[in-house]
Amino acid sequence: KQEVTQIPAALSVPEGENLVLNCSFTDSAIYNLQWFRQDPGKGLTSLLLIQSSQREQTSGRLNASLDKSSGRSTLYIAASQPGDSATYLCAVEGETSGSRLTFGEGTQLTVNP
Amino acid sequence: ETGVTQTPRHLVMGMTNKKSLKCEQHLGHNAMYWYKQSAKKPLELMFVYSLEERVENNSVPSRFSPECPNSSHLFLHLHTLQPEDSALYLCASSQDSVSYEQYFGPGTRLTVT
Repeated sequence: KQEVTQIPAALSVPEGENLVLNCSFTDSAIYNLQWFRQDPGKGLTSLLLIQSSQREQTSGRLNASLDKSSGRSTLYIAASQPGDSATYLCAVEGETSGSRLTFGEGTQLTVNP
Repeated sequence: ETGVTQTPRHLVMGMTNKKSLKCEQHLGHNAMYWYKQSAKKPLELMFVYSLEERVENNSVPSRFSPECPNSSHLFLHLHTLQPEDSALYLCASSQDSVSYEQYFGPGTRLTVT
């Protein structure tokens, strides 16, 4: 059974800092890995999708990497801003789980002005 | 604003009530999903529909009954719920049901009294 773990559970940083969020998964047989952002009480916003054949994806100040063989992904946020404060969720779609996304519990990020 | 809308945004119901949650996607996708997000737990997949056919039922109690009349609309019919069913219910859609990016709606916050 696929398990997804995100570290740290919570992170508080001053504005302008570069930061890294970590995601690990137990079964490396995946189609893709997706990073989402969730604001309190709201739905999920897709940030980046990395297919299993890819090593990284970039969007603006965000860069996500994938090391499928070791079961790890990182989300790098450059020059953090207070508007980046949210919960960041990692999810993987396993080759044996059909269309099921397995989610981690998320990292709650606070960027202080 | 996402291409996936959900109504109502908030719902309070008694255990003997019957209510329905509605999801609509404006993205031309073929697959739609219901997820449950409880406090301090990862998102749990409930149902998957592909081209209006249910392709996955993740051991969800029968008091939750999904309906997908066409590829743009998805309903979740609720009856005789329990207080532990209180959660954020999220709808998502994707181009197809395997290996495509999922787009989420804002969710319905359900409270069962």
